[in-house]
Amino acid sequence: QVQLQESGPGLMNPSETLSLTCTVSGGSISSYYWSWIRQPAGKGLDWIGRIYTSGSTDYNPSLKSRVTISVDTSKNQFSLKLSSMTAADTAVYYCAREGAVTGHYFDYWGQGTLVTVSS
Amino acid sequence: DIQMTQSPSSLSASVGDRVTITCRASQSINSNLHWYQQKPGKAPKLLIYAASNLQSGVPSRFSGSGSGTDFTLTISSLQPEDFATYYCQQSYNSPRTFGQGTKLEIK
Repeated sequence: QVQLQESGPGLMNPSETLSLTCTVSGGSISSYYWSWIRQPAGKGLDWIGRIYTSGSTDYNPSLKSRVTISVDTSKNQFSLKLSSMTAADTAVYYCAREGAVTGHYFDYWGQGTLVTVSS
Repeated sequence: DIQMTQSPSSLSASVGDRVTITCRASQSINSNLHWYQQKPGKAPKLLIYAASNLQSGVPSRFSGSGSGTDFTLTISSLQPEDFATYYCQQSYNSPRTFGQGTKLEIK
């Protein structure tokens, strides 16, 4: 059974750069897209971006100037960096798997990690 | 970006009721539409993919239909564990976008 687990700081200061890692277990990271999705408290889901295991990336234009997603296939991990954090970036951050061949839907999700931006 | 609009935004229903949630895309997305269920404090769970395909392990009381711009999620007979928030999501192009959610509450 594939499992995803986010890790990273829960509290950030404004203007800092967020770094989150998603560790994939129970299956290979190869041949899938891996996404970051966030959800502010009480609100809907926002797709941040994704990476394919080849390293090609695709970002939401609304965040593109501040986002970097990378992958380390040797560790079965992928990571998110989001710069210039503000209170508006406070949210639960999820990592998720999207199929590349079988279908472009998010079939596995991490449990989510709450990131709070506050001074 | 493709805008996804769900209706209603909230819905009160009783156990045993048949419930339908609608999702409309701002342009045609063929059948690239998926439905998720989210309970408080939990990650979303895939229910239906490619508009009408039931994800493995999901009860058969859930069904999906539609193509192009209009889609529906139907729960044939509500069970207590179905009270949650439901989201549609398009994968026709990037950025991936979600509907605003439909909160299904107990009447």
